[in-house]
Amino acid sequence: DTEVTQTPKHLVMGMTNKKSLKCEQHMGHRAMYWYKQKAKKPPELMFVYSYEKLSINESVPSRFSPECPNSSLLNLHLHALQPEDSALYLCASSQKAGTGTVGELFFGEGSRLTVL
Amino acid sequence: QQPVQSPQAVILREGEDAVINCSSSKALYSVHWYRQKHGEAPVFLMILLKGGEQKGHEKISASFNEKKQQSSLYLTASQLSYSGTYFCGTECGAEKGNTPLVFGKGTRLSVIA
Repeated sequence: DTEVTQTPKHLVMGMTNKKSLKCEQHMGHRAMYWYKQKAKKPPELMFVYSYEKLSINESVPSRFSPECPNSSLLNLHLHALQPEDSALYLCASSQKAGTGTVGELFFGEGSRLTVL
Repeated sequence: QQPVQSPQAVILREGEDAVINCSSSKALYSVHWYRQKHGEAPVFLMILLKGGEQKGHEKISASFNEKKQQSSLYLTASQLSYSGTYFCGTECGAEKGNTPLVFGKGTRLSVIA
């Protein structure tokens, strides 16, 4: 199983809603990532979890709250988002964590978020 | 720091060759190449670690010049399936711990029949 599964594929929410994005991998990877991608732009790193601990937070607003319940799951909790937060949210995993290169990133298909 | 990619876009006819460049102002530990087709997730192509190596896979290969902090992706005898946006990603100082993989702005490649 070389898949990273993200749900939901599409999400529409109002600015006062609370929702969550979910990501799952069963490859035994030790690092998991959230990226945000706007149209015709590169993926931008938001958070990195290494061995289930938050290791990198790229100055992301607190209205985005990541959670890693176990080594296979990664959530992104959304609250009081703004219309400019509308984007494709990509989850990725990699086998390696810690020193050295992150190696190959396996991306999920993404959750397309629209904030009204 | 975001690497710089060039060109921004290129159109090829089937069978033609292309080169995509990626450069950084910082010392690089590694360069990664990904391709993303419209509406799909990025897919890993290859990674090059410092040491000036060259890698290849079928008709797609890449080089990494550590001294110049540059990498180039070579696509030979292009096929329609090569169309997509190519991103280079760079890591700096990864020897000391996890450093984020930062992607360049991408090169949009279109192969036409």
